[in-house]
Amino acid sequence: DVKVTQSSRYLVKRTGEKVFLECVQDMDHENMFWYRQDPGLGLRLIYFSYDVKMKEKGDIPEGYSVSREKKERFSLILESASTNQTSMYLCASSIPGIMNTEAFFGQGTRLTVV
Amino acid sequence: GENVEQHPSTLSVQEGDSAVIKCTYSDSASNYFPWYKQELGKRPQLIIDIRSNVGEKKDQRIAVTLNKTAKHFSLHITETQPEDSAVYFCAASRSNDYKLSFGAGTTVTVRA
Repeated sequence: DVKVTQSSRYLVKRTGEKVFLECVQDMDHENMFWYRQDPGLGLRLIYFSYDVKMKEKGDIPEGYSVSREKKERFSLILESASTNQTSMYLCASSIPGIMNTEAFFGQGTRLTVV
Repeated sequence: GENVEQHPSTLSVQEGDSAVIKCTYSDSASNYFPWYKQELGKRPQLIIDIRSNVGEKKDQRIAVTLNKTAKHFSLHITETQPEDSAVYFCAASRSNDYKLSFGAGTTVTVRA
């Protein structure tokens, strides 16, 4: 069973704080993703990585950065948290290939910025 | 980039009836269309997917149809049961482009 684990289920942070969201997968997947989930907007891609130290911007990268120093770990960083970053954050991983394959999601981190 | 629209946003059905969710996509190069189910408080999980070389795919009570010409695809759930209550997301992507573009989601409620 693929396991994608996010370090926190719930987080409350103050405006202006630097926030780290951690994600670890145990299936040796090359691809890793960070999505943000908001009601009525679905899942929107923030950043993704297809290899160690590689990253690409998704649809809404502003205010975020990422780090992938090891294959199994993908971190999302909010440089200076703002209230409009209050949301559910979902990490996912998948195997690369010619044919797209299933994305496996973590359980999510509900972040509240006050 | 790809734009995926999903309708309806909410759907309430009587147990035993069918549910249909429709999605349209904008990028004619998209060729992979998965559907994810997210139960309350849980992570999204793949329930079925279809590739552009196939028009229809079934798995027990769920089926997906794809119309490439019209650029839309649909999820059909037959004989709905209470455990089908969840949020369903459609998505689209191209080959070798691992990014999935998701629809806004449909909240399905199955009334007993």
